[in-house]
Amino acid sequence: GQNIDQPTEMTATEGAIVQINCTYQTSGFNGLFWYQQHAGEAPTFLSYNVLDGLEEKGRFSSFLSRSKGYSYLLLKELQMKDSASYLCAAMDSNYQLIWGAGTKLIIKP
Amino acid sequence: IAGITQAPTSQILAAGRRMTLRCTQDMRHNAMYWYRQDLGLGLRLIHYSNTAGTTGKGEVPDGYSVSRANTDDFPLTLASAVPSQTSVYFCASSDSTSNEQFFGPGTRLTVL
Repeated sequence: GQNIDQPTEMTATEGAIVQINCTYQTSGFNGLFWYQQHAGEAPTFLSYNVLDGLEEKGRFSSFLSRSKGYSYLLLKELQMKDSASYLCAAMDSNYQLIWGAGTKLIIKP
Repeated sequence: IAGITQAPTSQILAAGRRMTLRCTQDMRHNAMYWYRQDLGLGLRLIHYSNTAGTTGKGEVPDGYSVSRANTDDFPLTLASAVPSQTSVYFCASSDSTSNEQFFGPGTRLTVL
């Protein structure tokens, strides 16, 4: 079956670094997405990885290992506005997204 | 219109009633999607459309129907609503070049 696993909740301190892990199992693979979702709002795109390695975009970076079925999202210099849920999604062979339940990130001052 | 819009924002509906959730995008994206989001679960795909005139079933299609008469609009219909369809519904669209999905603001539906 198809499955995405990510932690339910994480807590971090303002100004620190946090890494949110995601493991996936899909029928075929066409890339790994990370989305941010603030409470009561729609998900918004953060990153897309299809090749192994690290993609850096400002304070956010995303890593993919296809052989391990593993990705992580790295958030640096945390700000209070980064408090949100972070959704991991893998694209299967039919180009459909399989979504994890999301990781709620709580930032403390 | 800028991006993707959904209507209504929220709705309380009696069980057994028919309801259509509307979704419109102005980005000329070929593909459109309907998801439901429930607490503790990931987004689940209800129906999708890869291009105008075609639709397909997602993970949880039962009790829902869609149509795609043109590129811009992708309505979702609940023929006879049941309480288990209480959820937040998101419409999304994507183009074939990036696969990135853009989401509408969502419709919060409560079926009593």
